[in-house]
Amino acid sequence: QSALTQPRSVSGSPGQSVTISCTGTSSDVGGYDYVSWYQQHPGKAPQLMIRNVNRRPSGVPDRFSGSKSGNTASLTISGLQAEDEGDYYCSSYAGSNGVVFGGGTRLTVL
Amino acid sequence: EVRLLESGGGLVQPGGSLRLSCAASGFTFSSFAMSWVRQAPGKGLEWVSSISISGGNTYYADSVKGRFTVSRDTSKSTLFLQLNSLRAEDTAVYYCATVLGTVDPFEYWGQGTLVSVSS
Repeated sequence: QSALTQPRSVSGSPGQSVTISCTGTSSDVGGYDYVSWYQQHPGKAPQLMIRNVNRRPSGVPDRFSGSKSGNTASLTISGLQAEDEGDYYCSSYAGSNGVVFGGGTRLTVL
Repeated sequence: EVRLLESGGGLVQPGGSLRLSCAASGFTFSSFAMSWVRQAPGKGLEWVSSISISGGNTYYADSVKGRFTVSRDTSKSTLFLQLNSLRAEDTAVYYCATVLGTVDPFEYWGQGTLVSVSS
């Protein structure tokens, strides 16, 4: 059982928007603005897409955005493209417990 | 170009040991904290350990505390993870990653090295 809860799967058609949720507790997501999101394609290493809740690293398209409300963080992908298909993981700093990840969400572009 | 190249994985019996290495290039290794993250076959990501820029501060997940040791050699731009008392549940691809903060987020990742623990 993962520390952070994500939906197992989400889907959307090209051009649409999808949102992936990530629910934790006041000891992780709710306690720090250190939520990150990673994209992983099959057989590849993860790629950082969002850090510090809503900051995009250089090179990440602005179609990707992050937010947080209370103990739940969200990743929104707008204008879905075929290459967005893959697994998405959220993570949060958790103080003395280090870093916790969500179980991952499989995004399917229909 | 940032490059992280892990090595040292392989098949080991329960209770055995391995030492993983992560050779870094393309950036100033001495300016970044580093981490190890693992992924069991078909499963999600799990943070394992982080080490500060100086190497003076180390952090571990409860699942590996007391069994794994992280270290770094700045002169060789290399990160290490010593794995002792290995268990079947330690079977995973181990990734090294650069850290933007103290323990996370993980900005650049290597391609990983597979550790299999089985008799």
